[in-house]
Amino acid sequence: GESVGLHLPTLSVQEGDNSIINCAYSNSASDYFIWYKQESGKGPQFIIDIRSNMDKRQGQRVTVLLNKTVKHLSLQIAATQPGDSAVYFCAVISGAGSYQLTFGKGTKLSVIP
Amino acid sequence: DTAVSQTPKYLVTQMGNDKSIKCEQNLGHDTMYWYKQDSKKFLKIMFSYNNKELIINETVPNRFSPKSPDKAHLNLHINSLELGDSAVYFCASSLENYGYTFGSGTRLTVV
Repeated sequence: GESVGLHLPTLSVQEGDNSIINCAYSNSASDYFIWYKQESGKGPQFIIDIRSNMDKRQGQRVTVLLNKTVKHLSLQIAATQPGDSAVYFCAVISGAGSYQLTFGKGTKLSVIP
Repeated sequence: DTAVSQTPKYLVTQMGNDKSIKCEQNLGHDTMYWYKQDSKKFLKIMFSYNNKELIINETVPNRFSPKSPDKAHLNLHINSLELGDSAVYFCASSLENYGYTFGSGTRLTVV
């Protein structure tokens, strides 16, 4: 089965600094990866995704890096803002026609003004 | 319009009761899901359902049953509620494995 883990359960960063949130996965057949942001009292909100045929993808202030060799995924947030404070989850789909997302345990990002 | 909407947002009920949570999506997606989020924020799939197949997570007690009257709705019915069922339940939908979208959650408290 798929297991998804995060290296750090909490992360505190100064406003304006860059944030890096890491995620490890176990199934080498995983082919689709998504980062979600969850604010208090809300559902997970899509941030950015990447497929296994890519190793980097950029959005607005966010970058996802995928290292398939070591089965590692990271989310980089540039110029972190107070509004970025939330719990961040990585989620993976393991391919082979699977539609189910398997979530990591989440990292709580706190931005210090 | 909210893409994935679930009701109620809060549900407080006594042990042993039967309750339902409703979910509707207006995205034209073909697959819907129920996830459970525990007190440690861990999100775990309970069910996925499309017009072809219901996939049940084996760890889900059979007191939980999804009901889908049509492609846009997937309701969750829970029989004989237990204290351990207290959690936040999220509905989600996707078009095959694209465009996953989550509802805002239903906080269930069993007393």
